[in-house]
Amino acid sequence: DAGITQSPRHKVTETGTPVTLRCHQTENHRYMYWYRQDPGHGLRLIHYSYGVKDTDKGEVSDGYSVSRSKTEDFLLTLESATSSQTSVYFCAISESGGTEAFFGQGTRLTVV
Amino acid sequence: GENVEQHPSTLSVQEGDSAVIKCTYSDSASNYFPWYKQELGKRPQLIIDIRSNVGEKKDQRIAVTLNKTAKHFSLHITETQPEDSAVYFCAARIYSGGGADGLTFGKGTHLIIQP
Repeated sequence: DAGITQSPRHKVTETGTPVTLRCHQTENHRYMYWYRQDPGHGLRLIHYSYGVKDTDKGEVSDGYSVSRSKTEDFLLTLESATSSQTSVYFCAISESGGTEAFFGQGTRLTVV
Repeated sequence: GENVEQHPSTLSVQEGDSAVIKCTYSDSASNYFPWYKQELGKRPQLIIDIRSNVGEKKDQRIAVTLNKTAKHFSLHITETQPEDSAVYFCAARIYSGGGADGLTFGKGTHLIIQP
């Protein structure tokens, strides 16, 4: 499996609190992505990055921000968590932008 | 943006039979179509992919076909085995023109292999 690690693996947080999820890769891939997975919706793209400090919005970016200060780390922040953001979050990496994406183990986030 | 439709949502087949999952996409500029398998509680794993310059690709018991004119692609699994039971997702590459493309996924097919 590709060297990609997400942390934490599980988190429970309260509505209105900020939350940061971390994705760390050891493959030196240029492209990194954050997806969320919900029953009945499959996987939906939140944000992506095509290099250090280069990020852009995906399909469901409202309420989320990202940062990438190093090639190996891509952070996803929920500025003020809401119950609708309860989901499983997957990070993915790709060497050549959109092709052959490899996923991390996922983070299960519950907002109460 | 891209829209990917996947059918059926649930597919039950007898062990040893074949299974076919179908997807359609909306953006004619899409040029890469992967399939992922996800077991319960695990990450999605790439099992096969196809690019728009070919019509079919095979890897042992798994094959994918692509019809660019009709904008649909299909996953074929032959001689199904119990370990094939999982949720399968199709996806299409979003063509944004900026080179930093992500994937649009179908909603998944729960494949059940009956013994």
